[in-house]
Amino acid sequence: GAGVSQTPSNKVTEKGKYVELRCDPISGHTALYWYRQSLGQGPEFLIYFQGTGAADDSGLPNDRFFAVRPEGSVSTLKIQRTERGDSAVYLCASSPSGGETQYFGPGTRLLVL
Amino acid sequence: QKEVEQDPGPLSVPEGAIVSLNCTYSNSAFQYFMWYRQYSRKGPELLMYTYSSGNKEDGRFTAQVDKSSKYISLFIRDSQPSDSATYLCASDGSSNTGKLIFGQGTTLQVKP
Repeated sequence: GAGVSQTPSNKVTEKGKYVELRCDPISGHTALYWYRQSLGQGPEFLIYFQGTGAADDSGLPNDRFFAVRPEGSVSTLKIQRTERGDSAVYLCASSPSGGETQYFGPGTRLLVL
Repeated sequence: QKEVEQDPGPLSVPEGAIVSLNCTYSNSAFQYFMWYRQYSRKGPELLMYTYSSGNKEDGRFTAQVDKSSKYISLFIRDSQPSDSATYLCASDGSSNTGKLIFGQGTTLQVKP
């Protein structure tokens, strides 16, 4: 079956612009996670959705970052007023019910110039 | 101090060698441990998952957890060039949300 997909695969933007990153989880998975991976580092947790609601958003670095999952499937990570330090790979993962087996997408590589 | 620490390498070995990858963690409340493999420009792929102390084997891969020393290991037997990747250890931390705490990742190169 289809795995987790993310679009776009690459995004180049200018400092100060707004970007949206999309994640399509595995069908039927209720839990969805966003992580951010900087070069040479492991992924860092951003936010966790259980269904439509954000169950844990403790990893969002500041109020420029926001994520939604309005119908409990597709999720969008939104970054306002992008900064060069936001450049990273943004990974999405899903799991059947919020347990530990998470399946990752290929990531969106964001470059802020 | 990071909650999960891992030597970034790089680690280079000849084909057929036994590879040992290691991580330490700081919080004794951590229960679940995973090893992910990440190829260049791809997302992490789950290799092994263990709970509590002990060994778990899957083909050429063995995961080992020693909770008394807060040490986790991944052994790869008969390493192949296709094993060349970054290996990430992770724990679920002590939360019940499933969010993962990753180490920095160790880059492995297996030379033919």
